[in-house]
Amino acid sequence: GIQVEQSPPDLILQEGANSTLRCNFSDSVNNLQWFHQNPWGQLINLFYIPSGTKQNGRLSATTVATERYSLLYISSSQTTDSGVYFCAANSGGGADGLTFGKGTHLIIQP
Amino acid sequence: NAGVTQTPKFRVLKTGQSMTLLCAQDMNHEYMYWYRQDPGMGLRLIHYSVGEGTTAKGEVPDGYNVSRLKKQNFLLGLESAAPSQTSVYFCASRGADRKLFFGSGTQLSVL
Repeated sequence: GIQVEQSPPDLILQEGANSTLRCNFSDSVNNLQWFHQNPWGQLINLFYIPSGTKQNGRLSATTVATERYSLLYISSSQTTDSGVYFCAANSGGGADGLTFGKGTHLIIQP
Repeated sequence: NAGVTQTPKFRVLKTGQSMTLLCAQDMNHEYMYWYRQDPGMGLRLIHYSVGEGTTAKGEVPDGYNVSRLKKQNFLLGLESAAPSQTSVYFCASRGADRKLFFGSGTQLSVL
């Protein structure tokens, strides 16, 4: 099956800083999503982005499908951005579940 | 609109005991999934369902069974719990827009 690798594994930043999280995948994708797991364990869907660029407030994401990577940008970080960010992908055309990367653990310090 | 609801939130079992985790969604989604999350390993797919009365195996199905008798409910069963099944279990559903929505999780400890 598809392999999903995320980098960096850990990231510590000061409030107000910008960050870029990377997701590499081993096969062509027809479904790629980014999630945020907050410190209480809740998983929130950030983007559905198998290709192209999307923006939602201070967050944006870009997927370059031909080069098999996706980037999540966080601008003007706030302490509430802390948590684990997961990239998940699927290369099949059916309802198969997404394969998750191991995540990037982000800590935003005040 | 509650989204995806999981019960219970916490459970402690002894080795060999059985239990059922319930997932309910009110978004009329066809597809539902059970994942487990272990430290340092991300989320791994256990079983999934593409509609009422259907189920399929995911990446780590051994030791688990599932049922989808009603479209809104997806049950995950452990017939004889083992310490290796200590984990956090997440249910998710997916609609026509292909976005995955998760429940709040069930923390299970098997002693």
